[in-house]
Amino acid sequence: AQRVTQPEKLLSVFKGAPVELKCNYSYSGSPELFWYVQYSRQRLQLLLRHISRESIKGFTADLNKGETSFHLKKPFAQEEDSAMYYCALSAPQGAQKLLFGQGTRLTINP
Amino acid sequence: DSGVTQTPKHLITATGQRVTLRCSPRSGDLSVYWYQQSLDQGLQFLIQYYNGEERAKGNILERFSAQQFPDLHSELNLSSLELGDSALYFCASSVEGRVETQYFGPGTRLLVL
Repeated sequence: AQRVTQPEKLLSVFKGAPVELKCNYSYSGSPELFWYVQYSRQRLQLLLRHISRESIKGFTADLNKGETSFHLKKPFAQEEDSAMYYCALSAPQGAQKLLFGQGTRLTINP
Repeated sequence: DSGVTQTPKHLITATGQRVTLRCSPRSGDLSVYWYQQSLDQGLQFLIQYYNGEERAKGNILERFSAQQFPDLHSELNLSSLELGDSALYFCASSVEGRVETQYFGPGTRLLVL
């Protein structure tokens, strides 16, 4: 069965420190992976997707098929990064539905 | 705000009742998605419509139904409500029905007492 696991419900780091939000998935084929973010009092929005291989707001995520992971990383955290982050999977690629992880609440301490 | 709108913002009702949640997509978007966010289940995809037709189905209960009207707004009907249906219900819309272009609404918070 398809599954997305975000092992950390809460993550707290200091400003300027590196950040890594973990995401593991289970799917035997080739999925499409996404990271979504929800800032306080704002809508859920797409942060990045593995296919585009881009860096958004300093965040990057690499799909590791061997480890079935799609961890979100940022070398230097900023206070405005505090938010709820969701990893999501769409499988097979091009499917119309998203399977979300439980989310990680990231808090950046000054 | 010309984005996705959802009404009502909050809804309190009793077990056994029926409610209707409404979603208006962004101008020009043909596809509407419904999601449920609850404490125990997390964020779950319920159903997707594209230009009035059902396109994809997720973990939607039989007590729940949805439709998309000719003007492209959508309604999610929840009936025989149970305590466990208390959740935040999100709607999202996209132009072509591709998940990566979804724009989310603010959600409707439903509390079943």
